[in-house]
Amino acid sequence: EAGVAQSPRYKIIEKRQSVAFWCNPISGHATLYWYQQILGQGPKLLIQFQNNGVVDDSQLPKDRFSAERLKGVDSTLKIQPAKLEDSAVYLCASSRLAGGGETQYFGPGTRLLVL
Amino acid sequence: EDQVTQSPEALRLQEGESSSLNCSYTVSGLRGLFWYRQDPGKGPEFLFTLYSAGEEKEKERLKATLTKKESFLHITAPKPEDSATYLCAVQASNTGKLIFGQGTTLQVKP
Repeated sequence: EAGVAQSPRYKIIEKRQSVAFWCNPISGHATLYWYQQILGQGPKLLIQFQNNGVVDDSQLPKDRFSAERLKGVDSTLKIQPAKLEDSAVYLCASSRLAGGGETQYFGPGTRLLVL
Repeated sequence: EDQVTQSPEALRLQEGESSSLNCSYTVSGLRGLFWYRQDPGKGPEFLFTLYSAGEEKEKERLKATLTKKESFLHITAPKPEDSATYLCAVQASNTGKLIFGQGTTLQVKP
């Protein structure tokens, strides 16, 4: 079974530029998550999708971050404009269902450096 | 507020020297406690899920246990390939949101 795919793996941009990340979850997984992991910290949830719909985006900085999941499969996360403090690893994860102890499987992450 | 604290932040062991990593948590209604392993430059890799106090799970040299306030990850006779950051996370609701600790970075020297 193929795992969660993410691209690009690395991205370096100047502050105030925009950037987009892509995620393809495990086939058949209805729930998709985007996490932000700052160096030395654990991942922090940004947004959770159940199929096409948003379940939780309470920690998403909506003035600069946006995300969509078209057709309930792939997802993109966008930052516009980027700030220095956005430098982090952006992890995508998926699970069969939401909650109830369901295991989340993570992709390799996209490492973003904002200069 | 739901919270997860891991200790120690870093741990250095000699090969074969057993030890334990701690994960303390406060959560309203635990749905599951998860352990992940994360190697440098990679995403977290799932290890265990524990659902209720008293539960234990094992995988090779790793054993995870759970009480009402904390979880332990016991490493028996570790090898250099066990070197990684170990993350603990709790799931507090049916939304599936995981709340992670900051991780324990383990280094096992040959």
